[in-house]
Amino acid sequence: DAGITQSPRHKVTETGTPVTLRCHQTENHRYMYWYRQDPGHGLRLIHYSYGVKDTDKGEVSDGYSVSRSKTEDFLLTLESATSSQTSVYFCAISPGEMGVFDEKLFFGSGTQLSVL
Amino acid sequence: AQSVTQLDSHVSVSEGTPVLLRCNYSSSYSPSLFWYVQHPNKGLQLLLKYTSAATLVKGINGFEAEFKKSETSFHLTKPSAHMSDAAEYFCVVSRTSGGSYIPTFGRGTSLIVHP
Repeated sequence: DAGITQSPRHKVTETGTPVTLRCHQTENHRYMYWYRQDPGHGLRLIHYSYGVKDTDKGEVSDGYSVSRSKTEDFLLTLESATSSQTSVYFCAISPGEMGVFDEKLFFGSGTQLSVL
Repeated sequence: AQSVTQLDSHVSVSEGTPVLLRCNYSSSYSPSLFWYVQHPNKGLQLLLKYTSAATLVKGINGFEAEFKKSETSFHLTKPSAHMSDAAEYFCVVSRTSGGSYIPTFGRGTSLIVHP
């Protein structure tokens, strides 16, 4: 299995507080992604990174920010958590060699976030 | 723009009968397509992928999928369902944006297997 660790695994927080989720990989893969999973919506892309300090928005990026200061770490921050951000968050990585767009994703175990 | 539509939110079969999970895609050029599986309370695992080498793709656990360009479909099949196949299945199409690789997921199909 790919070396991907998400932390924390579970988090309960209150509306309005900041929350940071961490994704750590040991594979030296170029691409890292944050998805959220909600019933009936599948996985929706929040943000992704294609290299150190290179990030871009996905389809549901409002209310989220990310940072990637090292190849191995990709942080997702909810600046001021809202109840609509209660979800399961998955980190994924991919080798992503330039020009090769058939790379599979490797997933972390997920973080269950509850915003009360 | 690329997108993927999973035509059934739930599919129910009896153990030992065939499985068909349907997926249609939209793509402006030849896509890369994938099926992933998620067992209860677990992460996602790749079942199979299509990348234009062959239209019939074989995956793990006896699953296979056929790419049909004329129908823009990539349906997942298995001849005989097993209880352990009960899970959520996701069809995924890849797209590129400014040189980056961005997988886009369908909404998922929940496979229920009855004894």
